[in-house]
Amino acid sequence: GESVGLHLPTLSVQEGDNSIINCAYSNSASDYFIWYKQESGKGPQFIIDIRSNMDKRQGQRVTVLLNKTVKHLSLQIAATQPGDSAVYFCADTGRRALTFGSGTRLQVQP
Amino acid sequence: EPEVTQTPSHQVTQMGQEVILRCVPISNHLYFYWYRQILGQKVEFLVSFYNNEISEKSEIFDDQFSVERPDGSNFTLKIRSTKLEDSAMYFCASSEPDYGYTFGSGTRLTVV
Repeated sequence: GESVGLHLPTLSVQEGDNSIINCAYSNSASDYFIWYKQESGKGPQFIIDIRSNMDKRQGQRVTVLLNKTVKHLSLQIAATQPGDSAVYFCADTGRRALTFGSGTRLQVQP
Repeated sequence: EPEVTQTPSHQVTQMGQEVILRCVPISNHLYFYWYRQILGQKVEFLVSFYNNEISEKSEIFDDQFSVERPDGSNFTLKIRSTKLEDSAMYFCASSEPDYGYTFGSGTRLTVV
């Protein structure tokens, strides 16, 4: 079952460094994955997505890697900025509904 | 950039009352969703809606909940007889068939 009062793992990085946020998923049928960023009091904001027929996709300052063998996703953020501070969620779907991971809080130190 | 719009941003209601949360999805999207996020927890799927009917729902979405697309633009979530544990952020989202999930900014529901 779900845990109440989930404690988010935290990643603290220095401004300008690269960040890597990891996510594991469990549904082998998932064929579409999305990374979202959520700032306090706001809704999830789309960052980048990837389909299961790919293992890497790049956006502006972000790269998503997908390893279907071990059901693992990572989000790499290059040259992390203070504005990148937020909670990052991965989400996967095999049909329509997104299943969200528990999230990682990224803290960027100036 | 197209947005999903939700109103109100904050709703306070007494336990046992009914609330309606409103959403305007992106105009050319065909799939609509409601998710909720209890404070400090992950975002949870409630229901998806396509072609004027529910296409998928979670175990959270029981008889207390209903959704409706009353006209060509609005998508609503009704919660009957609210309970304290319904307090959460409720997010509406819309998407095209295989991509483009976009979330609104949410409605914070507080049941007192």
